[in-house]
Amino acid sequence: GNSVTQMEGPVTLSEEAFLTINCTYTATGYPSLFWYVQYPGEGLQLLLKATKADDKGSNKGFEATYRKETTSFHLEKGSVQVSDSAVYFCALSDSSGGYNKLIFGAGTRLAVHP
Amino acid sequence: EADIYQTPRYLVIGTGKKITLECSQTMGHDKMYWYQQDPGMELHLIHYSYGVNSTEKGDLSSESTVSRIRTEHFPLTLESARPSHTSQYLCASSASDGGGPYNEQFFGPGTRLTVL
Repeated sequence: GNSVTQMEGPVTLSEEAFLTINCTYTATGYPSLFWYVQYPGEGLQLLLKATKADDKGSNKGFEATYRKETTSFHLEKGSVQVSDSAVYFCALSDSSGGYNKLIFGAGTRLAVHP
Repeated sequence: EADIYQTPRYLVIGTGKKITLECSQTMGHDKMYWYQQDPGMELHLIHYSYGVNSTEKGDLSSESTVSRIRTEHFPLTLESARPSHTSQYLCASSASDGGGPYNEQFFGPGTRLTVL
């Protein structure tokens, strides 16, 4: 079945460091790919998405490129801030089984220190 | 900003009690979902609905039940709470895709349930 694997956390960085959170997927067909972010005590918010191969999603300085050849959708940011501390979830859309749903990775906690 | 609300935000309750977690959205979305989030953060779909009077079980088996009598309202009920039900419950909604690209799911802030 379809699945998402993302790097384990926690990831701890100093402010202004470069961030990469790896995400790879297994899927039949051509799913859309997403990164969601969950700040402490809140629900999930969509950070960015890509709907087809080679698309680049971007938002708030974060970027991810849909790489079909490596089945990856790694999240990057050039210079993180303390306010980026949160849990990040990679997800794919899955329409098998007769309904649209999201399949989430396990989440990666990011802690940014001043 | 997403307009999806969950109440209560936190609930501590004793074993055997009946509880209902409320979820409402003001976006007119047809599709609604309930997820259970482990302490280890992983999310599991437990229920979904494609519209009024439509409810289906998700990937993770759950003793909870849901109803969808109105488009905007998707409550989740546990008839007899147990400690194993302790978790964070997240509600989400999305517009119908009409055959187009997958539509974003908007999430509520969650209800953290503790059963003693």
